[in-house]
Formats: sequence, structure tokens, C-alpha cells
Amino acid sequence: ETGVTQTPRHLVMGMTNKKSLKCEQHLGHNAMYWYKQSAKKPLELMFVYNFKEQTENNSVPSRFSPECPNSSHLFLHLHTLQPEDSALYLCASSQDGGLQGLNYGYTFGSGTRLTVV
Amino acid sequence: DQQVKQNSPSLSVQEGRISILNCDYTNSMFDYFLWYKKYPAEGPTFLISISSIKDKNEDGRFTVFLNKSAKHLSLHIVPSQPGDSAVYFCAASANRGSQGNLIFGKGTKLSVKP
Repeated sequence: ETGVTQTPRHLVMGMTNKKSLKCEQHLGHNAMYWYKQSAKKPLELMFVYNFKEQTENNSVPSRFSPECPNSSHLFLHLHTLQPEDSALYLCASSQDGGLQGLNYGYTFGSGTRLTVV
Repeated sequence: DQQVKQNSPSLSVQEGRISILNCDYTNSMFDYFLWYKKYPAEGPTFLISISSIKDKNEDGRFTVFLNKSAKHLSLHIVPSQPGDSAVYFCAASANRGSQGNLIFGKGTKLSVKP
């Protein structure tokens, strides 16, 4: 356990479904991130929240909707996804969204393996 | 267009020898570099970082070297152990992380053989 918990670990959903991914950390971190890892591609940053405020949206389609109700929880709401959205979705947290976060690195969860059918 | 490149998808090394993992980058604004290690079915774990004001950072068996003029960094693991077998990701950040935007390479799969 890294201190960042993601649920569910695996998710299969149809293109018309609505589902949510959950991420939780109790490390006292103030920044949280969603990353996407597709096969044979680098980790791609999707969203950044720093002190509960969204500070980065990396041109992510609107069918992905993040929510950060407090510094410990981060959600990714999914609706009308496409098969090409199938990937490993990783949540991470860091002390802050700046230099301290880099000094100690990001702490990643184990990810949610999403399959869209 | 990839800003962080790990051109070797895999590397195989004998136990006890040195492992050298390479990473190249194109963005001259990158000023912080990190290495992560990932086991199957787990998220990446932070290994070591280096600021652009340094050319070397060492932590136990792990040393990262940065060559800014060549826009190249490398991770040395010595001596390599079977437990080091994993995928290693290089990552870079600009503006001292102020935008919280880490750019990752595709990773290199290291296999350390007993």
C-alpha cells in the first residue's frame, strides 16, 4: 500500500454507461492528479488539483469529468466513453503542485484498469 | 511529439552488474527530472530526482546523471539485483513543477537475471 487507494481495481463498462473512479489519500498531500496509461504510450496527465482547485486540464474530452470535494478525495466521472478510452487510469498525490511535490516525488495508486466495450 | 524519450523498451542485465537506463528530452525548459519504478499491477513508485542545477544525485545503489548540453539523463543501478526487475520511467517537469505537469517517457523494462 502506497497510501493512495484507487477503487475499483478493474472496471468493464458499456459505451452508454456512467461510472466513477475513486481515489483516496491520507498522506496529508495537497495536490492530486489523474493520469492515463494506454498500451505502448507514456503516462499522460489528465487533470491536476492543487488545494482542491483544478489547475490543469490537459485537453481532456468532456466525457471525463473530475471532482475533488476535499484534499483527500478525487473522483473521475465517466460517461459515454469510447473503446479507445480503455486504459489504466492512475491517481497520484504530492505534497503540493510545485517544488515540494518534485522533491519527494508523486505517490501513485495501483490504478483502475478500465475496459470499454 | 514526445518530449521525453526512452529509446530502449527493454534491458537485460546480469545480477551484480551495472544497469544503465537512458532518457533523452527535447524541451530545454525542463528543470527537474525524476525516475519512477513500476512493478506489474502496481502504480509507479518514486525512486530518485535531480534538479537542473546539479549533474549528479546519488541514493544508495541508484545514481542519476544529468547532461544538460546533451539533454540526456541516465539512471545507474549498481549492483543490480533481481528485485530491481521492473519498468523504469523517466519524467521531467518545467518551471520547477509550478504547473504540476510531469511529462513521462514510455518506460524501459529492466530484467535482472540471477
